[in-house]
Amino acid sequence: QVQLVQSGAEVKKPGASVKVSCKASGYTFTSYDINWVRQATGQGLEWMGWMNPNSGNTGYAQKFQGRVTITRNTSISTAYMELSSLRSEDTAVYYCARVKGYSYRFDYWGQGTLVTVSS
Amino acid sequence: DIQMTQSPSSLSASVGDRVTITCRASQRISSSLNWYQQKAGKAPKLLIYAASSLQSGVPSRFSGSGSGTDFTLTISSLEPEDFATYYCQQSYSTLRTFGQGTKVEIK
Repeated sequence: QVQLVQSGAEVKKPGASVKVSCKASGYTFTSYDINWVRQATGQGLEWMGWMNPNSGNTGYAQKFQGRVTITRNTSISTAYMELSSLRSEDTAVYYCARVKGYSYRFDYWGQGTLVTVSS
Repeated sequence: DIQMTQSPSSLSASVGDRVTITCRASQRISSSLNWYQQKAGKAPKLLIYAASSLQSGVPSRFSGSGSGTDFTLTISSLEPEDFATYYCQQSYSTLRTFGQGTKVEIK
């Protein structure tokens, strides 16, 4: 069965970087885009960016341009999202999600990773 | 970026009620609209894709309609497990965006 398993919770200081991993299983990793979405406590879903694991091509929301990098390691079927220059407003749960089909729908999601930014 | 606006932001309803949630796009997006349900502490779950196609395993009381800029999610008869927050998401642009969410609460 399809699974996306994310790395554990992180606590970071302002100005630091965080790298969250998303390990895929149960399907061919390079056949489906991966997207990253975050959610601050009590807030809505915020789309951050996408990656094609086959080509490595990426695209990012304007809000995160220059601060976010999405990469992958195809040999271990894992995607990564790195966010730099962290500030308190980046405290949130970060999700990876697999994309399915022409409608570009997010059909499978990781369990979420809480990133806390605090001095 | 394409802006997605949902209404209402929250609503109170009873089990058995018919519930309708609206999502409006800031520009035409054809039928490139997906709906998700999220319960507290959980990842979102896909309900409807391409505006009106029901995701496998989702109960038939959920339905979606619309095209262009205006879309609706309808729950024909609310069940206890449907109390949650619902989000629309546009997939027309490569820069995907979500609506702000609609929380469905128990009356």
